[in-house]
Amino acid sequence: DTAVSQTPKYLVTQMGNDKSIKCEQNLGHDTMYWYKQDSKKFLKIMFSYNNKELIINETVPNRFSPKSPDKAHLNLHINSLELGDSAVYFCASSQGRGHSYEQYFGPGTRLTVT
Amino acid sequence: AQKVTQAQTEISVVEKEDVTLDCVYETRDTTYYLFWYKQPPSGELVFLIRRNSFDEQNEISGRYSWNFQKSTSSFNFTITASQVVDSAVYFCALSEAGIYNQGGKLIFGQGTELSVKP
Repeated sequence: DTAVSQTPKYLVTQMGNDKSIKCEQNLGHDTMYWYKQDSKKFLKIMFSYNNKELIINETVPNRFSPKSPDKAHLNLHINSLELGDSAVYFCASSQGRGHSYEQYFGPGTRLTVT
Repeated sequence: AQKVTQAQTEISVVEKEDVTLDCVYETRDTTYYLFWYKQPPSGELVFLIRRNSFDEQNEISGRYSWNFQKSTSSFNFTITASQVVDSAVYFCALSEAGIYNQGGKLIFGQGTELSVKP
């Protein structure tokens, strides 16, 4: 059983399109995250949700909108895609919010914008 | 400001060699956690270890060991008798306990790409 799953694994699309990435965790965790890994492998947090409440919004363009229908799901919708959005997007979850909990990551979604 | 530095961008060793991956961090908080993650060529991120700022005991898990030294703000990772399967990018990360990190944000270093050759 996959603990944190993401769909799709690969996403190729053209500039200006709108796309969504879905994330689900079956660990019973309260907190979920989105991270972006750029072409140089640098990982940076984008958003964090705890029990469907937005906790962290890390200066991400408004074109990115996370949605958490329930605490097991955190989706990422991206409007008007740009070339610079090409990256690997990782979803993660942790048992609680706060600094002491390890985060478990999904397999990543490689987004390519052409 | 909080920051994690992994100065070694790439390391290449031959199988069975020992290798140490360096991690230096900066934080104003006295309470924080440090983490190591592994990213193999398949791309997923695998949690390896968590260490809190009040526990400076070294940790050993099989061929892996971690050395935490608050005096030098370092949390180094050593792989003993490296194997080809250890080839991956390794990330060190910091999570601060301050009120501005209620969400548990991880601050990652740049990663060290380890290549273990047979």
